[in-house]
Amino acid sequence: DAKTTQPPSMDCAEGRAANLPCNHSTISGNEYVYWYRQIHSQGPQYIIHGLKNNETNEMASLIITEDRKSSTLILPHATLRDTAVYYCIVRVGGSNYKLTFGKGTLLTVNP
Amino acid sequence: EPEVTQTPSHQVTQMGQEVILRCVPISNHLYFYWYRQILGQKVEFLVSFYNNEISEKSEIFDDQFSVERPDGSNFTLKIRSTKLEDSAMYFCASSGLNEKLFFGSGTQLSVL
Repeated sequence: DAKTTQPPSMDCAEGRAANLPCNHSTISGNEYVYWYRQIHSQGPQYIIHGLKNNETNEMASLIITEDRKSSTLILPHATLRDTAVYYCIVRVGGSNYKLTFGKGTLLTVNP
Repeated sequence: EPEVTQTPSHQVTQMGQEVILRCVPISNHLYFYWYRQILGQKVEFLVSFYNNEISEKSEIFDDQFSVERPDGSNFTLKIRSTKLEDSAMYFCASSGLNEKLFFGSGTQLSVL
């Protein structure tokens, strides 16, 4: 699996957009970008994933650069409950493949 | 939203004892996983299970570990002879065909 690089921590004001970057310069053509988050030692929670097109769901938006070497997760209106560790994971598509978690980014949403 | 259920939430055991961690995956899911997280460290993959057999396992998943899906609904992780270093939060996860993994809330295992 391609390695990813994320900043160790970020802050965001409540109500503002949180933009979490991820570099994955060695991504292969068949590898997807997945985002999960973990709220204070709870089980990780799926957020969104994509291959090359931008994706949006009820939780977030995923913007992938044209060369696919980096991506940004956008939480459009961050709340205090979005404080969590956010993991960017690159992996071959398909359900029968493991996720390899890195250290992620600790996002702290401040009132 | 459907949930992955894990029991117990906390398990305390003596070194050398056997423990079984239990999970009820989401009912129509086909792929099952165990991960663990030692306090302050990364979430680590242990094993994946599909079609009643192990699909992949990590170096951590040695002969002391085993998994089973005994009755079509439960998914268990057994540690035969626990060590101090097995103390961790153990997460069960399941997925269907849409590649989203759903994780349970974990079992905190403390080996004394």
